[in-house]
Amino acid sequence: DIVMTQSPDSLAVSLGERATINCKASQTVLYGSNNKNYLGWYQQKPGQPPKLLIYWASTRESGVPDRFSGSGSGTDFTLTISSLQAEDVAVYYCQQYYSTPGTFGQGTKVEIK
Amino acid sequence: QVQLQESGPGLVKPSETLSLTCDVSGFSISSGYFWNWIRQPPGKGLEWIGSLYHSGTTYYNPSLKSRVTISADTSKNQISLRLSSVTAADTAVYYCARSPSTVTPFDSWGQGTLVTVSS
Repeated sequence: DIVMTQSPDSLAVSLGERATINCKASQTVLYGSNNKNYLGWYQQKPGQPPKLLIYWASTRESGVPDRFSGSGSGTDFTLTISSLQAEDVAVYYCQQYYSTPGTFGQGTKVEIK
Repeated sequence: QVQLQESGPGLVKPSETLSLTCDVSGFSISSGYFWNWIRQPPGKGLEWIGSLYHSGTTYYNPSLKSRVTISADTSKNQISLRLSSVTAADTAVYYCARSPSTVTPFDSWGQGTLVTVSS
């Protein structure tokens, strides 16, 4: 199985400031034949299911605010919230869907400082 | 817009079989897509359990494969999960989720249902 490791486990950011979450895969999730990274990001608020934010490492799901952006390739990826809002308090997960079983990172909790 | 709703017993005894259903509305499961079960132990991360394609093809997480069965009732537009020989380690919120294929993310999720394994 591909192991996904996120850092940090938690972070506290002031409103309006940037939040950055890292995700590292134990092997590449870049598929050479189509040059796509099989990596997604989810947001999970308390008592709710995860919500898909980003897929193919950098494509925002419809309706997701543009303050959320994804970057990276191969084994190293980043989710950036450019200007943290109160409603962004949540746990964020990365997930690889390059190989079965699809695996998730352990999650990063984002709070307001 | 597709909606998914899980249901089933909230309490299961150790060694027994956990059985859950996922009612799908707004989309026919026979039309395509993969239908997945994912679980999340309290306060912990997410684990993919398995998926079913509308043709009946199934894929299971190797760590659970010997105990898992996912099936569909197209007449009810419903997906089912059975997990046998449960232990306390199977206590979790169980989600059903949709994905376009096995190599795409999960684009729609149910609200989840908590199953506690305890005597």
